[in-house]
Amino acid sequence: KAGVTQTPRYLIKTRGQQVTLSCSPISGHRSVSWYQQTPGQGLQFLFEYFSETQRNKGNFPGRFSGRQFSNSRSEMNVSTLELGDSALYLCASSLTMGANYGYTFGSGTRLTVV
Amino acid sequence: DAKTTQPPSMDCAEGRAANLPCNHSTISGNEYVYWYRQIHSQGPQYIIHGLKNNETNEMASLIITEDRKSSTLILPHATLRDTAVYYCIVRPNTNAGKSTFGDGTTLTVKP
Repeated sequence: KAGVTQTPRYLIKTRGQQVTLSCSPISGHRSVSWYQQTPGQGLQFLFEYFSETQRNKGNFPGRFSGRQFSNSRSEMNVSTLELGDSALYLCASSLTMGANYGYTFGSGTRLTVV
Repeated sequence: DAKTTQPPSMDCAEGRAANLPCNHSTISGNEYVYWYRQIHSQGPQYIIHGLKNNETNEMASLIITEDRKSSTLILPHATLRDTAVYYCIVRPNTNAGKSTFGDGTTLTVKP
């Protein structure tokens, strides 16, 4: 079966712009989480969605937002981009929210802000 | 959320078993131990998880101590392709997606 699909794979944006990243979970998976990975901070949790509702949120400013659609696909948006937002953004999906269900990660979107 | 402590790096000879330790002394009773690995900044790959019993799958074995304060991931016959960063994380049964990834262990398998 198809894995978690993230688009685009690479993106270059200018400081001050906004960006939208997309994540299609594994078919049947209803929970989607987003992570930011940078060399200095490692993997950091952004937010988690389940049944179109944000269930958990990490410690990121309000410029980072997301949503989930009825087909479980998710998007995250970053407004007013800063140089420090350059990172690998990873999406992970799971059947549901319980801890006994493994999360499958996508390959990520590499965002570069110049 | 419970934090984990892992050695920053380890080496292993190809064909030998790789034993990667993880400390999670503040783990709660309903929290699972998960192991992932990441190769060349690809997305982390799920390896194995467990609650309190030892677990084995086609990739690895997970040994959890009786007090659940530490665990060991065992790759029985390491290959060069097992060179990666290995993350041990503790996942609560609620808010499971909000997992905290530490710095992981960089495992280098040498020929």
